[in-house]
Amino acid sequence: GIQVEQSPPDLILQEGANSTLRCNFSDSVNNLQWFHQNPWGQLINLFYIPSGTKQNGRLSATTVATERYSLLYISSSQTTDSGVYFCAGDQGGGGADGLTFGKGTHLIIQP
Amino acid sequence: NAGVTQTPKFQVLKTGQSMTLQCAQDMNHEYMSWYRQDPGMGLRLIHYSVGAGITDQGEVPNGYNVSRSTTEDFPLRLLSAAPSQTSVYFCASSSSRGTEAFGQGTRLTVV
Repeated sequence: GIQVEQSPPDLILQEGANSTLRCNFSDSVNNLQWFHQNPWGQLINLFYIPSGTKQNGRLSATTVATERYSLLYISSSQTTDSGVYFCAGDQGGGGADGLTFGKGTHLIIQP
Repeated sequence: NAGVTQTPKFQVLKTGQSMTLQCAQDMNHEYMSWYRQDPGMGLRLIHYSVGAGITDQGEVPNGYNVSRSTTEDFPLRLLSAAPSQTSVYFCASSSSRGTEAFGQGTRLTVV
């Protein structure tokens, strides 16, 4: 199966800072997604982004499928952005084969 | 819509006991999956299903059984609980478009 590497593993920022999280895949993926796990453990889907660029408010994501990586950008960080960010993907269509997750980036935004 | 509903939220089992974690979704999604999350690790796929009557093993299936008799429900059975199965369990569902939705999680402790 595919391997997913995320960097950095930990990140501590002040409120208002910008950040870039990276996700590398060992092979091509068809179903790349980014998730945020809040401090209460809830997993929220941020982006479904097998290729290209998407934006949602202060968050945006870019996937370069040919080079097997994806980036998540967080601008003007707020304390509510704290938590763990996961990327995940699979090699099947839709969610058929289940997702392989990276180990996550633990983000702490300090006031 | 309730989305993906997992019960119970918390459970303590003794070694050797059996139990079933319930998962239901009301979004008419074809695909459903079970993951476990251990400290410092991303989510790992236990079992998945691409439709009623069809299930398959993921990365860490040993000690778990699943069935999918309806589109809505995907229970996970622990046959004889072991301390190594102490974890947080997440159920997820997705449509053919692939965006994965997660339940709130079940925190299981095996003593």
